[in-house]
Amino acid sequence: SYELTQPPSVSVSPGQTARITCSGDTLPKQYAYWYQQKPGQAPVLVIYKDTERPSGIPERFSGSTSGTTVTLTISGVQAEDEADYYCQSADSSSTYVVFGGGTKLTVL
Amino acid sequence: QITLKESGPTLVKPTQTLTLTCTFSGFSLSTSGVGVGWIRQPPGKALEWLALIYWDDTKRYSPSLKSRLTITKDTSKNQVVLTMTNMDPVDTATYSCAHRRGVGTVHNYFDYWGQGTLVTVSS
Repeated sequence: SYELTQPPSVSVSPGQTARITCSGDTLPKQYAYWYQQKPGQAPVLVIYKDTERPSGIPERFSGSTSGTTVTLTISGVQAEDEADYYCQSADSSSTYVVFGGGTKLTVL
Repeated sequence: QITLKESGPTLVKPTQTLTLTCTFSGFSLSTSGVGVGWIRQPPGKALEWLALIYWDDTKRYSPSLKSRLTITKDTSKNQVVLTMTNMDPVDTATYSCAHRRGVGTVHNYFDYWGQGTLVTVSS
């Protein structure tokens, strides 16, 4: 089965830049999407199609891609950004949806 | 405004069949390109995609759970139903439905989510 790999945790101080990576073999051919989930809440889409930001998502959230790794970057991290972040993509045939294992972002 | 809400039992016994209903508003499942997906999340664990149904009644299932899942839609009622057979305690999770965006039936992602419903599997 297809997998996406994320680091379990990332820590950053307020105002610094957080980078959360997601690795998978089909990422060069499939778009990646990122969701933010705060405790007790539904996930919120923060990046779609690798680099696009939905309306209402702050500009400090950005996405990038390089080979088999995609990265969610949060510039000028704020305390409210503390959450779990999940990447999502698809298998090589675009048949199945796959989520990464999630990364807990801690704002120190 | 797109909204989705899950409903169903909060407690099921092992070996029973779970039936969950997603009732939505703000879009139609008869519109080309539209889809609804189901995703679950065990307590303290990661999101897991379960199934997806498209406007044209194409269905996709997680390979690891395909034999246990059935997804259907009732366009007139704005509902999508997910059934999962042979429930086990490891299936205890919050089950959520979500509005799918994409191109045709590819490039799937979810831009609106329901709040989810916690289903506990226990005797």
